[in-house]
Amino acid sequence: GAVVSQHPSRVICKSGTSVKIECRSLDFQATTMFWYRQFPKQSLMLMATSNEGSKATYEQGVEKDKFLINHASLTLSTLTVTSAHPEDSSFYICSARDLRRQETQYFGPGTRLLVL
Amino acid sequence: GENVEQHPSTLSVQEGDSAVIKCTYSDSASNYFPWYKQELGKRPQLIIDIRSNVGEKKDQRIAVTLNKTAKHFSLHITETQPEDSAVYFCAAPGSLRQLTFGSGTQLTVLP
Repeated sequence: GAVVSQHPSRVICKSGTSVKIECRSLDFQATTMFWYRQFPKQSLMLMATSNEGSKATYEQGVEKDKFLINHASLTLSTLTVTSAHPEDSSFYICSARDLRRQETQYFGPGTRLLVL
Repeated sequence: GENVEQHPSTLSVQEGDSAVIKCTYSDSASNYFPWYKQELGKRPQLIIDIRSNVGEKKDQRIAVTLNKTAKHFSLHITETQPEDSAVYFCAAPGSLRQLTFGSGTQLTVLP
């Protein structure tokens, strides 16, 4: 089956530091990956769509200079939370769309970020 | 953009009973409707999906129905078991085929 990994699974950092989260599709190629944010007991909110070899498309209200996305290959996308603050603490989940099944998205295990 | 509404927000059923969760969407061009199950602290898992060329799809105890005219689709779980307890999300694609998720339904199956 389609497997998506995400690293790290949990990170605690000080306010003002930057945190990089990696999302990898392990057994399939994904030209498109998506980054979501999920607060406790809430739904998944799409932050941005990451396309291999081009700039990411950000949803309204998401600061592109704060949440840097790089999609350098067909199997890897990264999200960097720059100058993190306590309000950035959340559960960040990526998903990847399988080229062979255009609509289906497979999710990574998520990264829990806590900014002190 | 796509707007997805999901009801109910919470649902409790007795073990063995059926559970039904309903979603509506706004974009008539949407043609793919997945359902995800998310257990606490874990990733959403795709449990079933349906494309607009069919009205119903079944996989063992899980079924999804789609009414394109009314723009709504539903998840049906029969013979519920305690391990079915989780949050369930419906979704529909937007113009860039990104998914817009419903607000989620916390299903509790009581033993």
